[in-house]
Amino acid sequence: AQKITQTQPGMFVQEKEAVTLDCTYDTSDPSYGLFWYKQPSSGEMIFLIYQGSYDQQNATEGRYSLNFQKARKSANLVISASQLGDSAMYFCAMTPSRAGSYQLTFGKGTKLSVIP
Amino acid sequence: GAGVSQSPSNKVTEKGKDVELRCDPISGHTALYWYRQSLGQGLEFLIYFQGNSAPDKSGLPSDRFSAERTGGSVSTLTIQRTQQEDSAVYLCASSLGSLTGYNSPLHFGNGTRLTVT
Repeated sequence: AQKITQTQPGMFVQEKEAVTLDCTYDTSDPSYGLFWYKQPSSGEMIFLIYQGSYDQQNATEGRYSLNFQKARKSANLVISASQLGDSAMYFCAMTPSRAGSYQLTFGKGTKLSVIP
Repeated sequence: GAGVSQSPSNKVTEKGKDVELRCDPISGHTALYWYRQSLGQGLEFLIYFQGNSAPDKSGLPSDRFSAERTGGSVSTLTIQRTQQEDSAVYLCASSLGSLTGYNSPLHFGNGTRLTVT
């Protein structure tokens, strides 16, 4: 079984500043994938970034980067140069990386508010 | 291209009534998922369809919940004899295959907000 913990129910960040959203996980699977999704007030879940447990480098996608520390079982999302449109709920999720794997386990999310 | 489409976007129903929620996945996506999101909570897995395989119904909370996927495309989630605790946003997602990963993330619809009065 997997478990995702997001300890920050809400975060505030000044526009143009960087912000880190925390995510820790627990799994007994040797290989797994980690995801971050953004959910604006419109409700749609938007895929942001993916990190495989055996990837040698931290994933980056534009202003998003994933600070992956395998030994600490953490997969924090870093958003650089925050924009007002970044205000949303952010969910960390994981899945085992094995054939037939399909279940994503989600954390409870962090609400990010970007202040002008 | 078109994303995952869900209807209705909002549904208000009286306790005890049955409701049907519809999901139209992205064309070509073989995997289809239903999740439930209660207020202020993360996503709770309900059911998963992959191609013609038997669905994984392990997340359905009770026998009042059922889902089907016709022709490997459109899916319907049915809740019978609705209860107030069924009030939530029901999210549908699809992906290219069963192994989620960078090349096959889940693509979500906007959800159906169900309110049981």
